[in-house]
Amino acid sequence: EAGVAQSPRYKIIEKRQSVAFWCNPISGHATLYWYQQILGQGPKLLIQFQNNGVVDDSQLPKDRFSAERLKGVDSTLKIQPAKLEDSAVYLCASSFRQSMNTEAFFGQGTRLTVV
Amino acid sequence: GENVEQHPSTLSVQEGDSAVIKCTYSDSASNYFPWYKQELGKRPQLIIDIRSNVGEKKDQRIAVTLNKTAKHFSLHITETQPEDSAVYFCAATMSGGYQKVTFGTGTKLQVIP
Repeated sequence: EAGVAQSPRYKIIEKRQSVAFWCNPISGHATLYWYQQILGQGPKLLIQFQNNGVVDDSQLPKDRFSAERLKGVDSTLKIQPAKLEDSAVYLCASSFRQSMNTEAFFGQGTRLTVV
Repeated sequence: GENVEQHPSTLSVQEGDSAVIKCTYSDSASNYFPWYKQELGKRPQLIIDIRSNVGEKKDQRIAVTLNKTAKHFSLHITETQPEDSAVYFCAATMSGGYQKVTFGTGTKLQVIP
């Protein structure tokens, strides 16, 4: 089966600019996650969708980050305006079942560098 | 919320030796514990998982143990090989209305040939 697709793979922007990342989960996966992984750290959940609804965005810096999952399939994550500390890899993941504990499949990630 | 601690942060072993990585969690509601391997520049991938109704699970050279009472679980890699070099993440998962996953901080394993 096809994996989780993310684009772009790399992005370099100046601080205060805006940026958007795109994710296409595995077909049929209801749950979609966006994680931020700073170098040397574990993935930190930013936002979790169940179909097209948000179930957890408690760690999303809502003053600058936004995400949507229209039609319950693809998702975009936006940062506006970016700060230096936003430099990280942004990982998208998806899983099949809504409430059962199942494996999360990760995309390759988008490496963001803010200069 | 859930808090997952992982130790050690770095681990170097000689090829053929065993490696052990330990994690503790805080919320007794967590009931699924996956382990992910992330090679440099690549995506995290599941290598083994364990559910709370099981104390130990083995898959070839890797095994995971779970102690629910003490709220800790461990990854064991035997007969390590250079291709085992990577960063390993543990995670604790709880389910309710939706699945909530909390990752550990990662262990960088280096297997020295």
